[in-house]
Amino acid sequence: EVQLVQSGAAVRKPGESLKISCKGSGYIFTNYWIGWVRQMPGKGLEWMGIIYPGDSDTRYGPSFQGQVTISADNSINTAYLQWGSLKASDNAMYYCGTVSRYHFDYWGQGTQVTVSS
Amino acid sequence: EMVLTQSPGTLSLSPGERATLSCRASQSVSSSYLAWYQQKPGQAPRLLIYGASNRATGIPDRFSGSGSGTDFTLTISRLEPEDFAVYYCHQYGSSPVMYTFGQGTKLEIK
Repeated sequence: EVQLVQSGAAVRKPGESLKISCKGSGYIFTNYWIGWVRQMPGKGLEWMGIIYPGDSDTRYGPSFQGQVTISADNSINTAYLQWGSLKASDNAMYYCGTVSRYHFDYWGQGTQVTVSS
Repeated sequence: EMVLTQSPGTLSLSPGERATLSCRASQSVSSSYLAWYQQKPGQAPRLLIYGASNRATGIPDRFSGSGSGTDFTLTISRLEPEDFAVYYCHQYGSSPVMYTFGQGTKLEIK
């Protein structure tokens, strides 16, 4: 069974850094893209970027290029989303999902990020 | 830039009724690239339909997708209580790689 388990909720202050994770199991981790999606409070879904763990090929959505970094550690079947300097506007739920080329198949449970002074 | 516009924004229906949700693309989309997701409060999205008309694993056959070009439709033939949720259409673009979501349709109990 394919499962994606995300790290727990995080609370940070503006300007702090953060790295959240998404651990895959039940499939060959290096063979499928993993994507990240943001959902701001009460809003819709926004695609942030994807990574192919097999060769670390990474693509970003235009609104997120330069704002976040997506990476993967194949030794532990885990993908990451990180911020160097958080803003209040980064308050959101973040989901990871496996991407079968054209759509998101399986989703993690989500990680709530709260940025507050 | 591709824009997906879903209508209506909110749809109020009763269990047992038929629901028709629309997704209109600003440019023509290959049917292979169009998907639909369901999201219930406090839950992650779930894939319902991919390739415009293919049901994902475990999705009941009351859910169906259709359309081509710029107009796509998700139909729920007979609403069950657990179907009241928010539905998103989604499109893959290749040049550059881009995944675009519609703004969502909230299906609520009348």
